[in-house]
Amino acid sequence: EVQLVQSGAEVKKVGESLRISCKGSEDSLATYWISWVRQMPGKGLEWMGRIDPSDSYTNYSPTFQGHVTISVDKSISTAYLQWSSLKASDTAIYYCSRELGAIYMDVWGKGTTVTVSS
Amino acid sequence: QSVLTQPPSASGTPGQRVTISCSGSSSNIGSNPVNWYQRLPGTAPKLLIYGNNKRPSGVPDRFSGSKSGTSASLAISGLQSEDEADYYCATWDDSLNGWVFGGGTKLTAL
Repeated sequence: EVQLVQSGAEVKKVGESLRISCKGSEDSLATYWISWVRQMPGKGLEWMGRIDPSDSYTNYSPTFQGHVTISVDKSISTAYLQWSSLKASDTAIYYCSRELGAIYMDVWGKGTTVTVSS
Repeated sequence: QSVLTQPPSASGTPGQRVTISCSGSSSNIGSNPVNWYQRLPGTAPKLLIYGNNKRPSGVPDRFSGSKSGTSASLAISGLQSEDEADYYCATWDDSLNGWVFGGGTKLTAL
């Protein structure tokens, strides 16, 4: 069974940097894109951006462009989502998902809770 | 404000048939297949319907999807208490060049 294993919960302060990870089992990163999705407290799902692990091509939602960076290390089947300077409004659950190119997202990680305080 | 529009809530009694709508535009639902996700409390989203009306392995046939023009619907027949969850529609948007989600519908079994 394909799984995406996400890194653990993080508690950070405003202005700090952060990188969270999403490790795929088997060859889940070999032929699928990886998308990141945000869920703020009490709110719905928001697509942030995605990466093609084969060539590290990325595209971002305009809402998140310039605020986060998505990257991948194919050698360890791991995708990353990072911030250089966190804001309190970044407090949310972040999910990674395996995406069959613009068709569907079928496998999801369990989510990483990020709490940012001032 | 989500690109796709869903009712914020829906409800039904056990055994009843419930439908959830999802409205979009020509650049998203009108051009691409619609997927539905179920998010049970405290868990990650789960793919429920893909390609407008296909069920992944393991999803009961009580769940069905349809699409017409720029709208889509999820139907749940024989509602069960364990179906209480948030349901989201999603599709690719050609204009935004990215995924768009509905705002989510909270389903309650009365």
